[in-house]
Amino acid sequence: QQKVQQSPESLTVSEGAMASLNCTFSDRSSDNFRWYRQHSGKGLEVLVSIFSDGEKEEGSFTAHLNRASLHVFLHIREPQPSDSALYLCAVSRDSGTYQRFGTGTKLQVVP
Amino acid sequence: ETAVFQTPNYHVTQVGNEVSFNCKQTLGHDTMYWYKQDSKKLLKIMFSYNNKQLIVNETVPRRFSPQSSDKAHLNLRIKSVEPEDSAVYLCASSFTGGAPEQYFGPGTRLTVL
Repeated sequence: QQKVQQSPESLTVSEGAMASLNCTFSDRSSDNFRWYRQHSGKGLEVLVSIFSDGEKEEGSFTAHLNRASLHVFLHIREPQPSDSALYLCAVSRDSGTYQRFGTGTKLQVVP
Repeated sequence: ETAVFQTPNYHVTQVGNEVSFNCKQTLGHDTMYWYKQDSKKLLKIMFSYNNKQLIVNETVPRRFSPQSSDKAHLNLRIKSVEPEDSAVYLCASSFTGGAPEQYFGPGTRLTVL
């Protein structure tokens, strides 16, 4: 069964400094990867989706996928305090129905 | 802009009561989902439903059941709540096929006393 783990559990960065989040998965046949953000008391918003090895940029968010090492990273360029939230990665297979979510990283951006 | 709507925002009830949560989407999607988010923020799929097929996560207790009147609505009923049902319940929707992008509602927080 697919296992999706995220690290670190929590991260504090200064405003404007790069934030890097890590997600590891166990099913090598996975081919759909998404990063979501959840502000406190709100639903999830998708930030970036990536389906092949390499990088995918959406605004200040860049996903980096390396399926051989079973990792997908999220880099946040010049984060602002408004980016403080819970970040979740989700992994699935195109032929599957469910996204399996990671354990989450709580990001705090301080001025 | 919110396109997946959930009511109520919060609900407090006692063990053994029945509760029902509503979800509506205005995106024209044909598949809807219910997720449970526990106190550690872990998200688990409970159901996915389109006009043709209901897929149930086998770990979901039988007291939970989805109810749909049309493809824009998928409600969640809990027949007799238990303390471990306290969580945030998130509704989502998407188009069918592959592993499509899902759009989430703001959630309903349930507290069982």
